[in-house]
Amino acid sequence: DQQVKQNSPSLSVQEGRISILNCDYTNSMFDYFLWYKKYPAEGPTFLISISSIKDKNEDGRFTVFLNKSAKHLSLHIVPSQPGDSAVYFCAASGETGNQFYFGTGTSLTVIP
Amino acid sequence: DAGITQSPRHKVTETGTPVTLRCHQTENHRYMYWYRQDPGHGLRLIHYSYGVKDTDKGEVSDGYSVSRSKTEDFLLTLESATSSQTSVYFCAIRPTSYNEQFFGPGTRLTVL
Repeated sequence: DQQVKQNSPSLSVQEGRISILNCDYTNSMFDYFLWYKKYPAEGPTFLISISSIKDKNEDGRFTVFLNKSAKHLSLHIVPSQPGDSAVYFCAASGETGNQFYFGTGTSLTVIP
Repeated sequence: DAGITQSPRHKVTETGTPVTLRCHQTENHRYMYWYRQDPGHGLRLIHYSYGVKDTDKGEVSDGYSVSRSKTEDFLLTLESATSSQTSVYFCAIRPTSYNEQFFGPGTRLTVL
């Protein structure tokens, strides 16, 4: 059973606008959450993360929001750029940090 | 650049043959992981290692074995490949003081 879910397989956004990617999880023991970006024929690259003790983390154009009561996190990209077009995966880990659970990914297309 | 290489990068094999994929890192990180990526499933953990000769199963370990006789190398073996093991395989490392993983470029395996 998928413990981390990304219900939107794809998203299209105009350049300069905000992209919002969503992720839901089921395991309340998860305490660390990450977003990865993946281009075709490459490995995923780490983008941004957030600990469960926070509700927001910002890094430049990227902000991750965590709503623990809803078991929901989101990634905001502002402003969106064509180079942001990629597949985005959210991931979660528990206390040991040994196992990571990934969502199925959302393919973002930023239209120039 | 986390210094992770995977070999081979592409492989086509036949059902029933053994296959070994290699992950090599240059920075002596303790934690190493093997994932497979499939459409509709995202990234799923196969096995991971937390030190030389210390390994554990992930969520999709059936049909796979691993070995880690040196810090820098983590091998994934398919004893008898099946068509359901056609996938893209990613190796990742996690520095001890980090919660993030860093991925290799991937190996595309096709089992005919």
